[in-house]
Order: sequence, then structure tokens, then C-alpha cells
Amino acid sequence: GNSVTQMEGPVTLSEEAFLTINCTYTATGYPSLFWYVQYPGEGLQLLLKATKADDKGSNKGFEATYRKETTSFHLEKGSVQVSDSAVYFCARHPGGGSYIPTFGRGTSLIVHP
Amino acid sequence: NAGVTQTPKFQVLKTGQSMTLQCAQDMNHNSMYWYRQDPGMGLRLIYYSASEGTTDKGEVPNGYNVSRLNKREFSLRLESAAPSQTSVYFCASIQASGGTEAFFGQGTRLTVV
Repeated sequence: GNSVTQMEGPVTLSEEAFLTINCTYTATGYPSLFWYVQYPGEGLQLLLKATKADDKGSNKGFEATYRKETTSFHLEKGSVQVSDSAVYFCARHPGGGSYIPTFGRGTSLIVHP
Repeated sequence: NAGVTQTPKFQVLKTGQSMTLQCAQDMNHNSMYWYRQDPGMGLRLIYYSASEGTTDKGEVPNGYNVSRLNKREFSLRLESAAPSQTSVYFCASIQASGGTEAFFGQGTRLTVV
């Protein structure tokens, strides 16, 4: 079946450090790929997305590139802030008439001042 | 726009009691979903409705029922609550499969004692 695998957390960083959260997905069909962020006590919200191979999604200093050859969609940020502390979910939304998005297990990011 | 609205936000039930979690979206989305979120387990799909008038089981449907009342509303019912159903429940909606993102409610924190 379809799956998304992302690195386990928590990831603990100091402010202004570089962030990478790895994500790989199953390549069946032509999925769109997403990163969602969940702040404490809230639901998930879209952080960025890419709908086809080689697309780069970006938002709030975060970036991820849709890599078909490595089936990856790694999340990066050059300089994290304390306010980036949250749980990050990688997800694949299928195309072709399938209706079930698949989420990774989430990676908790903790940024210390 | 309100987006996706879930009620209630918090609920405590005794084992064997029943309750219905309500979800409504005002974005004219076709597909709606119920997930539960447990520590270390990520998001697990309980039921989904690809379009008005249809519902299907997800990964963990046992102990739950759903109703797609109309295009806006998708409710989740626990007929006889069990402690294993203690979790945070999220409703989500998507306009269509593929390149559009999911919108999530704020969640319902349910405790079964």
C-alpha cells in the first residue's frame, strides 16, 4: 500500500541551527506531497506542498523538493527559531481517483533559545 | 471563513456511554475524514467519505460509526465507549484528491474512564 516514512523525533536544536527532517514516500501513481505543521493544542495546517517531480515548495523559510528519483521530500530550514517548535507531518495525497491521503507519524521539533 | 469546525473540544465519558462528535466544513469540499491521533502512532484513519452519500472504513473503524449528513457535515459516533478510544480526534476535508491540501479541525480530546 501507500506509505510515508519520516524520521523519528524528537529533533532538538538550538536557535539559528539548520534543520532537516527526512521523508520518503511510496512512488505508486502520481502523488502530490505535503508538509503539515501542528502546534500544541491545534489541528494540522499546511506548511508547503509540491505537486509534481522537481517542484520545490516553500513557506516561512522552510523548503522541500519533490525528488522522484529518490522518492523523497525532505524538509529543510536554514535557521530555526523557537517559534518553529511543533510537530511536522509529511504526507502524500494520491491522484487518479483515490481519496485517501497518507501521513507520516510526525516528527517533533524542539528549538531552544 | 470558519474552515472545519469540530465540537466538542473536550469530552470525558464513562465506559459504555455513547456520544457523537460533530464536524462541519464551509468550503464546499467533497471529501471528509475522521482521524485519531495517539502518542507515537501519528494519524490513523477511522472512516472517510469520498463524496456526499458515501462512507468507507479506514484503518481503525472498529467501535465507530459515521454519517455524512450532507455535503457540509460528517459525524463520528461511539456507540459504547471503551478506554482504548481515549484519543484526540480530528476531522479533515479536501476539495478533491491530488494537489489540494487537507484542512483540519481543532480536534476533540476524548477521555474514556
